[in-house]
Amino acid sequence: GAGVSQSPSNKVTEKGKDVELRCDPISGHTALYWYRQRLGQGLEFLIYFQGNSAPDKSGLPSDRFSAERTGESVSTLTIQRTQQEDSAVYLCASSIGWTSGGEDEQFFGPGTRLTVL
Amino acid sequence: GESVGLHLPTLSVQEGDNSIINCAYSNSASDYFIWYKQESGKGPQFIIDIRSNMDKRQGQRVTVLLNKTVKHLSLQIAATQPGDSAVYFCAENPLSHGSSNTGKLIFGQGTTLQVKP
Repeated sequence: GAGVSQSPSNKVTEKGKDVELRCDPISGHTALYWYRQRLGQGLEFLIYFQGNSAPDKSGLPSDRFSAERTGESVSTLTIQRTQQEDSAVYLCASSIGWTSGGEDEQFFGPGTRLTVL
Repeated sequence: GESVGLHLPTLSVQEGDNSIINCAYSNSASDYFIWYKQESGKGPQFIIDIRSNMDKRQGQRVTVLLNKTVKHLSLQIAATQPGDSAVYFCAENPLSHGSSNTGKLIFGQGTTLQVKP
């Protein structure tokens, strides 16, 4: 079966432009997560979706960052007025969701590498 | 604040030797821990997990040890192979009980494992 996919794989943009990053989770996974990984660093949590709702947005670094999810499937992370400090790999993960009980393994996509010039 | 960190940024081992990767965590309330492997250009891949009611768990060639007294986690890889070369992250889910659990993970900085032939 298909895993988590993300597009584009690479994005180069100019400072001040808006970008949209897409995540297609594993079919049937109700939980979806966005993380950011700066070069040589661990992953930083950004936002969590359960279905189409986002009960935890605590990791979004500023109001330039937003995300939505539709159809309990695809999610889009939008960064407005990009800054050079936004350069990183943005990773998406999905999981079955806590309704299944027990630990809930997150499956990660390959990420989108964003470079802001 | 909460943090999960690793003791060494790079570990170099000879093929066939055993590897030990260490991790310290600061949130004593955390009760679920995961080790991930990340190869270049890919998203993290689940290796093994452990709950705080255990002090050891074994998988295929991997063992995770948890010492709650000193808040220390380690990953042991037996008979290390070139394919084990990657960055290894420990991650913590500090809210793995109750309906308030969002499942978000707190990651350490990562240890690069280099396997010499």
